[in-house]
Amino acid sequence: EAQVTQNPRYLITVTGKKLTVTCSQNMNHEYMSWYRQDPGLGLRQIYYSMNVEVTDKGDVPEGYKVSRKEKRNFPLILESPSPNQTSLYFCASSRPGKSLYEQYFGPGTRLTVT
Amino acid sequence: KNEVEQSPQNLTAQEGEFITINCSYSVGISALHWLQQHPGGGIVSLFMLSSGKKKHGRLIATINIQEKHSSLHITASHPRDSAVYICAVAGYNTDKLIFGTGTRLQVFP
Repeated sequence: EAQVTQNPRYLITVTGKKLTVTCSQNMNHEYMSWYRQDPGLGLRQIYYSMNVEVTDKGDVPEGYKVSRKEKRNFPLILESPSPNQTSLYFCASSRPGKSLYEQYFGPGTRLTVT
Repeated sequence: KNEVEQSPQNLTAQEGEFITINCSYSVGISALHWLQQHPGGGIVSLFMLSSGKKKHGRLIATINIQEKHSSLHITASHPRDSAVYICAVAGYNTDKLIFGTGTRLQVFP
């Protein structure tokens, strides 16, 4: 089954404790992206990747890091989480290269930073 | 002003009604996406279009590039259509998506 998986689905952590949210897709997609969703603000792009070893900032990259060492995986790293990073996070992937193509979303990760 | 505006923000309907959700954008685009987010939070892609009209079951999406406007129609609405519908655009020469804030639809039996 074609899918995008994220782990963990729910996470409560404390300020400053480094965490990683994993994202993996099994569709051989080249394009992968991370979004955060906040009430009243909708979805906002954090980082995206056009291919292995190619990443770029989205609209709200501050406080986040990503890496793309393998095509299927695109982890989101919060080196020193702060309460303003409490949000619902989605990973997505699509066919080669462009956001022109249908986006496949992961199930979401609800993060709370206290 | 947001680059992607949706209207209405909230919509309630009786089962069987015809639904229209609108999306206006202010940037040049190469494609527009309609997404559906169910109460559980998962997001699925409904349509991706760059011109004209697409239909899938009871859902119809149209786009007018000159007017920078798209509509999502639901015919014979059903309670299972209750969800948040999100419009997103992919700008020219960019690989980023810009999202509207969504339209929350509730369909009552």
